[in-house]
Amino acid sequence: RKEVEQDPGPFNVPEGATVAFNCTYSNSASQSFFWYRQDCRKEPKLLMSVYSSGNEDGRFTAQLNRASQYISLLIRDSKLSDSATYLCVVPSSSNTGKLIFGQGTTLQVKP
Amino acid sequence: DTEVTQTPKHLVMGMTNKKSLKCEQHMGHRAMYWYKQKAKKPPELMFVYSYEKLSINESVPSRFSPECPNSSLLNLHLHALQPEDSALYLCASSQNGQGAYGYTFGSGTRLTVV
Repeated sequence: RKEVEQDPGPFNVPEGATVAFNCTYSNSASQSFFWYRQDCRKEPKLLMSVYSSGNEDGRFTAQLNRASQYISLLIRDSKLSDSATYLCVVPSSSNTGKLIFGQGTTLQVKP
Repeated sequence: DTEVTQTPKHLVMGMTNKKSLKCEQHMGHRAMYWYKQKAKKPPELMFVYSYEKLSINESVPSRFSPECPNSSLLNLHLHALQPEDSALYLCASSQNGQGAYGYTFGSGTRLTVV
């Protein structure tokens, strides 16, 4: 099993839609999880950190399911500006402090 | 100051050139990283410095040579690169080497090797 797996998409949704991305991970000991957003030709930027069952910030909700080893990112009321690649990031099972990036899920919000 | 600053933003170099990429942070972070990112791929870890010591080298070719002069600075020295080394090079920092709080990335250096 890969350390982090994401559906690469692309997800094409209309403005105002609700969209959810899932990410599965293999490191059952991990205590922290991250969603990063990356715009085309820009650096990744931290969107949300998840340390317990979940986290909510405005239109964005991240949920953690430890039993099934997946985290999800829910975006409500999608905006055109939400179009980007969303990277799921999990600490490596090697316990070196290294973070492992998923392949990224591309979201395109259309008018 | 919550930024990681990378210079230059763009670099074009020949295969016989020697150049350096620079990264600076003043957040008091004690771990710094170099990542390489090709188009439509996730960032790939190259090196980790933790408390100014090289802690991870992901089997990177010797034509890439990292240097950490102090806790705020990280350099990547480039020599005899190949065209396939063209990519976005990202520097990142974190509070410590455990990754528990995520990384802060710089805006990257877009490198083209001709």
